[in-house]
Amino acid sequence: ETGVTQTPRHLVMGMTNKKSLKCEQHLGHNAMYWYKQSAKKPLELMFVYSLEERVENNSVPSRFSPECPNSSHLFLHLHTLQPEDSALYLCASSQLPGQSTDTQYFGPGTRLTVL
Amino acid sequence: AQSVAQPEDQVNVAEGNPLTVKCTYSVSGNPYLFWYVQYPNRGLQFLLKYITGDNLVKGSYGFEAEFNKSQTSFHLKKPSALVSDSALYFCAVSRGDSSYKLIFGSGTRLLVRP
Repeated sequence: ETGVTQTPRHLVMGMTNKKSLKCEQHLGHNAMYWYKQSAKKPLELMFVYSLEERVENNSVPSRFSPECPNSSHLFLHLHTLQPEDSALYLCASSQLPGQSTDTQYFGPGTRLTVL
Repeated sequence: AQSVAQPEDQVNVAEGNPLTVKCTYSVSGNPYLFWYVQYPNRGLQFLLKYITGDNLVKGSYGFEAEFNKSQTSFHLKKPSALVSDSALYFCAVSRGDSSYKLIFGSGTRLLVRP
């Protein structure tokens, strides 16, 4: 589980705040993902980066802004969030971009609460 | 469209008994199937996957899963459950057309009682 780390583990923010979530992978992978996990809903894929280029934006509101400065780091910038954005945000990475057989490895997640 | 169904929200089993967590899928083309486990306040941990070959796949912590193409199922099994197996289990499928997208089921909570 230490292959993919996420900080902070918990975050409470107001609707007018700006914050960022950070993900780092130590596995030498080339693809990184952001997922949203809400109570009683399947995991929702938000963004995918392959070789540092965004290849997927799954109809995510613009108040979520991803950034991938290199293949090891992934950020999710948050601003003017809504209470319904409260969820567990999971980062994942995989070795080979665009390979359906490839295993995704997940970080521990950031528990976000929007007041 | 791809989809994964986990028909049971919760499975209860006594320690030492065999367990089964069910998963069925719908996908065009060859399916690639995965099982993950999530412990409280943790991320998802990979258990096993089926790509091709032997229909019985063995994974971590003594878990195994059987791919059944005719029934479009990929049930997770363990011969003897442990209390520490209590967690949330997710089945996922990706399509065999180079799509990296994983479609997850809604999860099944496994409760193993002592």
